[in-house]
Amino acid sequence: GQNIDQPTEMTATEGAIVQINCTYQTSGFNGLFWYQQHAGEAPTFLSYNVLDGLEEKGRFSSFLSRSKGYSYLLLKELQMKDSASYLCAVSFSGATNKLIFGTGTLLAVQP
Amino acid sequence: DAGVTQSPTHLIKTRGQHVTLRCSPISGHKSVSWYQQVLGQGPQFIFQYYEKEERGRGNFPDRFSARQFPNYSSELNVNALLLGDSALYLCASSSEGVVGAGELFFGEGSRLTVL
Repeated sequence: GQNIDQPTEMTATEGAIVQINCTYQTSGFNGLFWYQQHAGEAPTFLSYNVLDGLEEKGRFSSFLSRSKGYSYLLLKELQMKDSASYLCAVSFSGATNKLIFGTGTLLAVQP
Repeated sequence: DAGVTQSPTHLIKTRGQHVTLRCSPISGHKSVSWYQQVLGQGPQFIFQYYEKEERGRGNFPDRFSARQFPNYSSELNVNALLLGDSALYLCASSSEGVVGAGELFFGEGSRLTVL
């Protein structure tokens, strides 16, 4: 199967840095997305990685290693409003019309 | 500009009933996808439509069906509702039929409760 694995929950402190990992099956990999979802709201797009390396966008960065089937989302200078679920999603060749999502990582930012 | 709009936002049905959920994509977007998100899980792909044609179907029973209209809006229909159909149903639109070529924009979802 095309399992996307990420930790279920994480806790971090306001102002700190947190890294959320995601692993996936490398066969047929096409691209990787990160979405943020606050409780009761729609997922919102954070980043898209298709090549190896780090993509930085403000306080958020996303890294991809295609050979290792590994990505992480890095959140810097954490704010209370960053408390949300972070979804890792992958598109695979042969099925590029859909995303396979992980279960999401629920991040709790504490004062 | 309006984002992806879905209706209704919340609804309650009983087992065996039928439900129709509606979605209007972002203006100019020709692709609509439907995802089911059970509480505590990530969204699961149900259907994708592009230019009014079904382009993909996920691992859901035939009780689930959908269509896309000439104005690119879409309906998701679920027949013979089961308790396990209780979930948040998300609609996503994009300008392209291929994920990655265009970003997926999600609506707020329709929260279905089956009693």
